[in-house]
Amino acid sequence: QVQLVQSGVEVRKPGASVKVSCKASGYTFTDYAIHWVRQAPGQGLEWMGWITPNSGGTKYAQKFQGRVTMTGDASITTGYMELSRLTSDDTAVYYCARGGGGLMYWGRGTLVTVSS
Amino acid sequence: EIVLTQSPGTLSLSPGEGATLSCRASQSVSSNSLAWYQQKPGQAPRLVIYGASSRATGIPDRFSGSGSGTDFTLTISRLEPEDFAVYYCQQYGTSPLTFGGGTKVEI
Repeated sequence: QVQLVQSGVEVRKPGASVKVSCKASGYTFTDYAIHWVRQAPGQGLEWMGWITPNSGGTKYAQKFQGRVTMTGDASITTGYMELSRLTSDDTAVYYCARGGGGLMYWGRGTLVTVSS
Repeated sequence: EIVLTQSPGTLSLSPGEGATLSCRASQSVSSNSLAWYQQKPGQAPRLVIYGASSRATGIPDRFSGSGSGTDFTLTISRLEPEDFAVYYCQQYGTSPLTFGGGTKVEI
C-alpha cells in the first residue's frame, strides 16, 4: 500500500533553515509528483509547491519563491522540502502528499516550531 | 491565482441530516480539476472527491460532488457521526494550486 513517512518534529530559531523528508513506498516514486502543503495552528491548508521526481522539475507558490527548495532522491524514494530564513509565521505542520488528480495520499505531517 | 471561497464557514447539523457545502472560484477551474478533502483534528486531510464529482477510493456513496466552471458543491446525504469535520475544496488545474478556507461541519 502507498505510504508517505515524514521526518519528526523540528524546532528552529528565527533565521534558521529546516529540511523535512518524506519517504515514499508502495508505488513507483518517479511516476507522481510530490506536493508540500502546510497548515499553521488553527488555520487552513496552504499549498507550497511540488517536485516531479523523474525530472527534478519544481513549481513553487510565489509566496515561497527564493526561500523554499524541493528535491527528490529516487534512489531512496524520498522527497525533501527545505525552508530557509524562518520566522514565527512559519510555525506549522508541513505535509507531503502524492500528486495525480487530487492528493490521494498524505504523510502524517511534520510539526515545525520557530521560536527564539 | 484562483481564489476559492467556501460557504458557509460553519454548518451546525445533527446526525441523519443532509449537508450542502459550497465552493466558488474566482475564475473557471480548468477541466473541472476540483477536489474536496475532509480533515479531522490532529489528522492529515483525506481526499473525498476529485474531478469535481468522482469519489475517492473508500469514500461512502453518501458523499457526492457536483458543479463546473466556478461553482462547486459537496453534498453529504445523511450525516454520520464520523462525518463531522472540516472540509476544504482545492483546485489543481492551474498553478498555483489553491485551497478554500474550509467549512466546519459540527454537531
